[in-house]
Amino acid sequence: EPEVTQTPSHQVTQMGQEVILRCVPISNHLYFYWYRQILGQKVEFLVSFYNNEISEKSEIFDDQFSVERPDGSNFTLKIRSTKLEDSAMYFCASSGVEQYFGPGTRLTVT
Amino acid sequence: KQEVTQIPAALSVPEGENLVLNCSFTDSAIYNLQWFRQDPGKGLTSLLLIQSSQREQTSGRLNASLDKSSGRSTLYIAASQPGDSATYLCAVRLISNFGNEKLTFGTGTRLTIIP
Repeated sequence: EPEVTQTPSHQVTQMGQEVILRCVPISNHLYFYWYRQILGQKVEFLVSFYNNEISEKSEIFDDQFSVERPDGSNFTLKIRSTKLEDSAMYFCASSGVEQYFGPGTRLTVT
Repeated sequence: KQEVTQIPAALSVPEGENLVLNCSFTDSAIYNLQWFRQDPGKGLTSLLLIQSSQREQTSGRLNASLDKSSGRSTLYIAASQPGDSATYLCAVRLISNFGNEKLTFGTGTRLTIIP
């Protein structure tokens, strides 16, 4: 069964550093998403991406965040200068009718 | 703005019992609703998806119902097992001309099945 994959599974970084989280969506899906979940809190939408551009973003997705589809398979989330409050689980998803989620990347900012 | 609420926040039941988890949402103009399972520190596993035109969906011991007009969905788990212990999340997707609306999640119900 096709699945969404994410790398790395866990990333530890120092405050102020740039991180890139990687995702490989399901191959015939056209819509891609990033969500995050701070420990003990709700899963929150960050951004959706379609046809090589952002289609919607939340108020969380400020200038420190960017997304890219650098080739035909990968979908990345970059955080330019990480803050302590960026520590969370980041989930990538892709969809046709149903959204399928990857296993997540746990980001720890120290 | 869509708000999704799940009650109760936590539930413990003895093994073998049937149980119901509740989800309510404020905007009834939904495209579909999904129920997910999340194990501690892990990702989201989709359990059931109900389209807005459907009233229920079944998969094995799970049955999800949808009442769009009242803004409610329930997840019924029959003959609960210790392996069902997890957090259950519901998420709604609004109707959109673009077909790629985000999911809005509830806070989840943490379920513990007591052997």
